[in-house]
Amino acid sequence: GAVVSQHPSWVICKSGTSVKIECRSLDFQATTMFWYRQFPKQSLMLMATSNEGSKATYEQGVEKDKFLINHASLTLSTLTVTSAHPEDSSFYICSAGRTSGYIQYFGAGTRLSVL
Amino acid sequence: KQEVTQIPAALSVPEGENLVLNCSFTDSAIYNLQWFRQDPGKGLTSLLLIQSSQREQTSGRLNASLDKSSGRSTLYIAASQPGDSATYLCAVVHNYGQNFVFGPGTRLSVLP
Repeated sequence: GAVVSQHPSWVICKSGTSVKIECRSLDFQATTMFWYRQFPKQSLMLMATSNEGSKATYEQGVEKDKFLINHASLTLSTLTVTSAHPEDSSFYICSAGRTSGYIQYFGAGTRLSVL
Repeated sequence: KQEVTQIPAALSVPEGENLVLNCSFTDSAIYNLQWFRQDPGKGLTSLLLIQSSQREQTSGRLNASLDKSSGRSTLYIAASQPGDSATYLCAVVHNYGQNFVFGPGTRLSVLP
């Protein structure tokens, strides 16, 4: 079946540093990928829609300058958390959809801890 | 705006019981609905996907139904086992190519 790879799975960083998270569709092309965030004991909330070759679409309340999204190819989208702070500590997960039948596949997620 | 709710928020049952998890969504014009399992600190495991034209899907001890007109789905788990303990999330896709909208989840504990 289709696989979406997300890396890293866990990252710990100091406050003020930037962290890049990669989301790759391994065996299909994805013109659109989605980035979600999950705070402890809460459900997943959509952060942004990543569109290949164009700017990402951000949900209300998500700072586009803080959460930089780049979708430079049909198989890779990256989310960079810039100048991370402890309140950015969360579980970030991406998904990508295969065009045929539109089934979405999720990455395994990235747990970010900002000290 | 689509909203997804799940009842109950938490459930604790003894091993062997059959149980039902409920999901409701406010906009019935969905493309598909999916049930996921999430273990603590882990990602999502897809359990069952129901397309808007379907009424139910089955996989092993799991059965999911969809009543699109009333905006409801149920996940039935037969003969529950301690290994079923996890959070179960319901999510809908409104249109082709769009994102999931997730419910808050039901936290299930199956006691041995």
